[in-house]
Amino acid sequence: QEKVQQSPESLIVPEGAMSSLNCTFSNSASQSIWWYQQHPGKGPEALISIFSNGNKKEGRLTVYLNRASLHVSLHIRDSQPSDSAVYLCAVVSSGSWQLIFGSGTQLTVMP
Amino acid sequence: DAGVTQTPRHEVAEKGQTIILKCEPVSGHNDLFWYRQTKIQGLELLSYFRSKSLMEDGGAFKDRFKAEMLNSSFSTLKIQPTEPKDSAVYLCASRPGTGEYEQYFGPGTRLTVL
Repeated sequence: QEKVQQSPESLIVPEGAMSSLNCTFSNSASQSIWWYQQHPGKGPEALISIFSNGNKKEGRLTVYLNRASLHVSLHIRDSQPSDSAVYLCAVVSSGSWQLIFGSGTQLTVMP
Repeated sequence: DAGVTQTPRHEVAEKGQTIILKCEPVSGHNDLFWYRQTKIQGLELLSYFRSKSLMEDGGAFKDRFKAEMLNSSFSTLKIQPTEPKDSAVYLCASRPGTGEYEQYFGPGTRLTVL
């Protein structure tokens, strides 16, 4: 089964800084990769997804996917205290219906 | 549009009790998922329904966990009997099921088993 690992486990950045989160997966044929954000007491909410090698930008978020190295990263420009949350990487394997989640990165943005 | 609704938000049970958690998916969504979330194990899939048919019954969770989809707009997760190791957040999610993979999650039910 697909394995998804995230690093770091926790990240503390000052307000206005760039936050960079990493995710590795085990199958280069994975269909798509998703990033979810989860605030305390809430369910995860999808932020951005990527299918093709390269990068995708939406607002302050940029995702980079490198299938050859089985690596995807999420970068949050101009981080705000409201960005403080757990970020989950999730992968859909080719031919599968299932989202496989990583264990998450706790991001804290200090005012 | 209403999102995924879960009740209750918090549940406290004694060891050995039966508890039932409830979920209402987003209207019109065909796929429904139940997950368990803990700090150590992260998100673990318990059940998956497509158009009310059970597609995945969670393997290791089969013996004490039973999810049902009574109709297209209501699902329950029964845990019987509860054990302290079942203490976790139980999340319900739904998605359209028309080739879209994004799942929409409810706020979860925090279960504490004493």
